[in-house]
Amino acid sequence: DAGVTQSPTHLIKTRGQQVTLRCSPKSGHDTVSWYQQALGQGPQFIFQYYEEEERQRGNFPDRFSGHQFPNYSSELNVNALLLGDSALYLCASSLEGASAEQYFGPGTRLTVT
Amino acid sequence: EDQVTQSPEALRLQEGESSSLNCSYTVSGLRGLFWYRQDPGKGPEFLFTLYSAGEEKEKERLKATLTKKESFLHITAPKPEDSATYLCAVPKAGGTSYGKLTFGQGTILTVHP
Repeated sequence: DAGVTQSPTHLIKTRGQQVTLRCSPKSGHDTVSWYQQALGQGPQFIFQYYEEEERQRGNFPDRFSGHQFPNYSSELNVNALLLGDSALYLCASSLEGASAEQYFGPGTRLTVT
Repeated sequence: EDQVTQSPEALRLQEGESSSLNCSYTVSGLRGLFWYRQDPGKGPEFLFTLYSAGEEKEKERLKATLTKKESFLHITAPKPEDSATYLCAVPKAGGTSYGKLTFGQGTILTVHP
């Protein structure tokens, strides 16, 4: 049973650049959520996708955008990168209507220089 | 707004020395409380879901309990491999679907041999 996968594992970008992170949900899951985790902090909710639409959004600027594809995989895009965007970006998947349990991928470590 | 607070921030134990981690929450209409384990640089690993006060769940040396205002993660006779950050989280209240998880900042557990 394939779990949640994310790519790339690590990424280094320069301020002002744009980045795309990718996520494949756990087999059988249809909902994808993205979180940002700064060092020493708990994950912070960015947004959630279901049926290819953004369903909920946390307190993140419009520079953060996403997409969900028909196969339930998802992308997170961040434009005009700031130093403060350096963090571990986590993708979590769940099954709509089944339970609230979200299963996380290994994350993508983004460093902005 | 939902709030989750974990204590202590860090806990150092000797192997075999039992203890408890605390997770206090303020939510309107609890729809569950989750415990996760997170190893450095990796995504959170799902441990337990608790849905109602009085509920208990066990897994190896870990036992999670829930009251109306807080949850405890009891660790019995811990081993060095139990060293990790333990996170608790609550899902967004209301509606028929489950959305964002609000996390605490985590407790860093270190078990010395």
